[in-house]
Amino acid sequence: GNSVTQMEGPVTLSEEAFLTINCTYTATGYPSLFWYVQYPGEGLQLLLKATKADDKGSNKGFEATYRKETTSFHLEKGSVQVSDSAVYFCALRLMRGQLTFGSGTQLTVLP
Amino acid sequence: NAGVTQTPKFRVLKTGQSMTLLCAQDMNHEYMYWYRQDPGMGLRLIHYSVGEGTTAKGEVPDGYNVSRLKKQNFLLGLESAAPSQTSVYFCASRGLSGANVLTFGAGSRLTVL
Repeated sequence: GNSVTQMEGPVTLSEEAFLTINCTYTATGYPSLFWYVQYPGEGLQLLLKATKADDKGSNKGFEATYRKETTSFHLEKGSVQVSDSAVYFCALRLMRGQLTFGSGTQLTVLP
Repeated sequence: NAGVTQTPKFRVLKTGQSMTLLCAQDMNHEYMYWYRQDPGMGLRLIHYSVGEGTTAKGEVPDGYNVSRLKKQNFLLGLESAAPSQTSVYFCASRGLSGANVLTFGAGSRLTVL
């Protein structure tokens, strides 16, 4: 079946530190890949996405590259801010299928 | 620009009681979804709908029922609540041309005692 594995949190960083949240997937086919972010007390919002191998999704300083050879979609940001504190979810979707989410990674950025 | 609205935001039930969560979207989206979010388990799909009058089971449908009588509304019902159904419930919707992007509601926190 399809599954998404994220690095376990929580992750705590100081402001301006470099962020990596690992995400790997298992899928029968060629999925689209997503990162969603959930700020405290809110629903999930799409952060970025990639629909085919070697695509790079980017938004708000975050980036992730679709790596077919390693079945990965790691989220990175060069310099995190306190306002980036949230829960980050990696997800995949196959054609006509439903979204499959990872378990989420809690990020806390300290000033 | 309401987007996806869930009611109620919080509810406490006793075991065996019934309740309905309402999801309303004003974006004319075809697809609607109900997820539950539990610590360490991410979001799991309960039921979904691909259009008015249709529903389908997701990953964890047992103990829940849904209805989509109107395109803009998607109701999630618990006929006999159990403590295992204590969770945060999220509704989401997506249009036909939404490029797979879901719009989520703010969530409904349900506690079953």
